[in-house]
Amino acid sequence: DAEITQSPRHKITETGRQVTLACHQTWNHNNMFWYRQDLGHGLRLIHYSYGVQDTNKGEVSDGYSVSRSNTEDLPLTLESAASSQTSVYFCARKPRDRGMQNTEAFFGQGTRLTVV
Amino acid sequence: RKEVEQDPGPFNVPEGATVAFNCTYSNSASQSFFWYRQDCRKEPKLLMSVYSSGNEDGRFTAQLNRASQYISLLIRDSKLSDSATYLCAVPHGSSNTGKLIFGQGTTLQVKP
Repeated sequence: DAEITQSPRHKITETGRQVTLACHQTWNHNNMFWYRQDLGHGLRLIHYSYGVQDTNKGEVSDGYSVSRSNTEDLPLTLESAASSQTSVYFCARKPRDRGMQNTEAFFGQGTRLTVV
Repeated sequence: RKEVEQDPGPFNVPEGATVAFNCTYSNSASQSFFWYRQDCRKEPKLLMSVYSSGNEDGRFTAQLNRASQYISLLIRDSKLSDSATYLCAVPHGSSNTGKLIFGQGTTLQVKP
């Protein structure tokens, strides 16, 4: 019941090109996240947003940017694609935490990006 | 020390076996913990949440050891369909940042 869609599912691009990965959720959740997943590293946080006009850098933000003009969308842009950015990218939505009880994240189906 | 650490495995077990994975975390203030299952080339999906000492759901039991700062996932009577990667996730920093930090995952292969 992810109700969070990513597009495209697969993309091949050339080094130096700008690429934008789309993420759309229909749950009206404020918290949205972008992760990349690589062998040996697990899921690493790229950028995240707690609401409209709010964006924050994560652990591996260099070379990436996000924008949040509405609640539903958090597009991820690779300013100038590099081979090191070949990865699987997951977008996630997350309900607001309930007091001291953190909530879980729900993931999109992922975008497999290859930079050649 | 990484914030969340898991033994990547793989754990190779026969059908019907009981297997347990551990996940250690560094943030002693964490109040909630999550186990996700990830099938090959698919997105992670929530398997179990842990908000107190533990949780049980059928063949799956998650336990929390706050003193030693680890959570465990126990799978009883393993099925072939349990083969997957299991990720643990822990909140980052204070309880209300909204961020989750993931371990790199433990791979389980259940053999006939």
